[in-house]
Amino acid sequence: DSGVTQTPKHLITATGQRVTLRCSPRSGDLSVYWYQQSLDQGLQFLIHYYNGEERAKGNILERFSAQQFPDLHSELNLSSLELGDSALYFCASSGGGIDSNEQFFGPGTRLTVL
Amino acid sequence: AQTVTQSQPEMSVQEAETVTLSCTYDTSESDYYLFWYKQPPSRQMILVIRQEAYKQQNATENRFSVNFQKAAKSFSLKISDSQLGDAAMYFCAYRGKGGNQFYFGTGTSLTVIP
Repeated sequence: DSGVTQTPKHLITATGQRVTLRCSPRSGDLSVYWYQQSLDQGLQFLIHYYNGEERAKGNILERFSAQQFPDLHSELNLSSLELGDSALYFCASSGGGIDSNEQFFGPGTRLTVL
Repeated sequence: AQTVTQSQPEMSVQEAETVTLSCTYDTSESDYYLFWYKQPPSRQMILVIRQEAYKQQNATENRFSVNFQKAAKSFSLKISDSQLGDAAMYFCAYRGKGGNQFYFGTGTSLTVIP
């Protein structure tokens, strides 16, 4: 158990819909990263937040947005969903201290768009 | 931008034998961190080993060790005494010191043959 939690574990929805994925980082971690992993693909970096502020953006579509709240949990919002958005979405956290240079991954949210 | 290349999409090894997974990266930074992550069929991302670029000594974690060649920008993972539980996708990752983003390779799928 990495200490990073993600909800829901599975999500099935229809094209055109909007969903919200939630991530709670490890206690004390200030950074949250979001990744997308399509079937048999590598990890695509989406976005990074540090202590509530956006720090880096990767290949994140305009239909996607994210935020990090004062309690440090983060949400990834996916709207106008398309079939190609079906993927495993990972959240990872890192923070200060001796472990600050590695990421701890949550179990992922599997999104299926029908 | 930094890039991480894993040139072996698939590898196989006999149980109890040794296998080496390759990873190269491109960067202009002098201080950075390198990681190997394992993703078993459960899809959970698990940190296997990490290396700090300023350390010349290769990192070792039980049966896992790395061969870090900074000048060649190479970071290979050696798995000794391979076990069935080692079967997974392995991802190499890079992070610059103080950087906001982790860069992942496309992964190597390792099969362990009984």
